[in-house]
Amino acid sequence: QVQLVESGGGVVQPGRSLRLSCAASGFTFSGYAMQWVRQAPGKGLEWVGDISYDGSHKYYADVVKGRFTISRDNAKDTVYLQMNSLKTEDTAVYYCAGGLRYMDVWGKGTTVTV
Amino acid sequence: QSALTQPASVSGSPRQSITISCTGAGSDIGGFNYVSWYQHHPGKAPKLIMFDIGNRPSGVSNRFSGSKSGSTASLTISGLQSEDEADYYCSLYTSRSTVLFGGGTKVTVL
Repeated sequence: QVQLVESGGGVVQPGRSLRLSCAASGFTFSGYAMQWVRQAPGKGLEWVGDISYDGSHKYYADVVKGRFTISRDNAKDTVYLQMNSLKTEDTAVYYCAGGLRYMDVWGKGTTVTV
Repeated sequence: QSALTQPASVSGSPRQSITISCTGAGSDIGGFNYVSWYQHHPGKAPKLIMFDIGNRPSGVSNRFSGSKSGSTASLTISGLQSEDEADYYCSLYTSRSTVLFGGGTKVTVL
């Protein structure tokens, strides 16, 4: 079935780095734009950034621009979120989602605590 | 700075109808056509329930409907059921190819 599974979350000190992965299955990953969305404790959903189906275009929220990088490996059906210079305010559940204008498949999230 | 504004909470009794609004402001909202809605039960993955204003994905109940007037999009839930109790978020794909989320609306079934 259609599935996204995030991994790589954990506890990290401020200023350090962490890389999240999101493995896709059950759909044609190479044809899908992918997004990262996060939810801080007690807060709403916040868009982090996205990457086009072929990795040629990437867009980021201002609050993570210059610190976070999204990449993908279509041979492995996996999208990544490299997070550098982490801040306490980056503490959140991080979701990957598939789609561009709308996100029609979501993972269950992975928790990052800074 | 562009933003989407939703009411913090909406409540209704079983079998009633409720409407959640989502108002956009700012230069990035464009024609405000690429609005989608997500249902989020705490601890679970968010679920797409409406896209491009008023289109329902396959498998989503027809009790959910979407509309737009100017820069305000609305999600209506008719025949409210206990399982509809969740957080609901509107989202907009902007003219800058970025994504905005509204602040979320907590729906309570009385």
